[in-house]
Amino acid sequence: AQSVAQPEDQVNVAEGNPLTVKCTYSVSGNPYLFWYVQYPNRGLQFLLKYITGDNLVKGSYGFEAEFNKSQTSFHLKKPSALVSDSALYFCAVRDVGGDSWGKFQFGAGTQVVVTP
Amino acid sequence: SAVISQKPSRDICQRGTSLTIQCQVDSQVTMMFWYRQQPGQSLTLIATANQGSEATYESGFVIDKFPISRPNLTFSTLTVSNMSPEDSSIYLCSVTTWNTEAFFGQGTRLTVV
Repeated sequence: AQSVAQPEDQVNVAEGNPLTVKCTYSVSGNPYLFWYVQYPNRGLQFLLKYITGDNLVKGSYGFEAEFNKSQTSFHLKKPSALVSDSALYFCAVRDVGGDSWGKFQFGAGTQVVVTP
Repeated sequence: SAVISQKPSRDICQRGTSLTIQCQVDSQVTMMFWYRQQPGQSLTLIATANQGSEATYESGFVIDKFPISRPNLTFSTLTVSNMSPEDSSIYLCSVTTWNTEAFFGQGTRLTVV
């Protein structure tokens, strides 16, 4: 079974500092990896994905993520955090075979708090 | 991309009653799913809504409690039946196609009293 893990329940960072949200994955084949953000009382918004190609993926709102196959990681990064980045972030992996094709498995989520 | 309209956006219901949540997509999509997000937690997949046939439920979820319809490729409903306070959650409709990301509705925030 495919899964992702987010080891941090919360990440605190000062505005202007780099932000990193960690994610590790476990898959049986090639991973399809995703990051989403959820603001209060809102649905999930897509940030970026890795399916194939360059290991460094750039996404919305200045976010990027680095796919590291040897470490089975897909950490989300932003060079300079904003207060408005405070939200709940989810890493996800997509099943790509068999009866589970198309299903997404989500990590537990990491609450990001950016202080002014 | 796909735009998903989900309604109601929120509701407060009495225990023992049922609520039907609607999900409308602006384009034909292959895969449609229903998720539950309990307070402060991650998303849990309830079922895959299959067009023209019975939904496929995940372990721990049953059709009698969460009946799902999908009459066409752009519309689905999820009913939460015989509700109890434990059913208080956010319910999310999601769609995806071959190798794209998942797109989500804004969710339905359900409170059972």
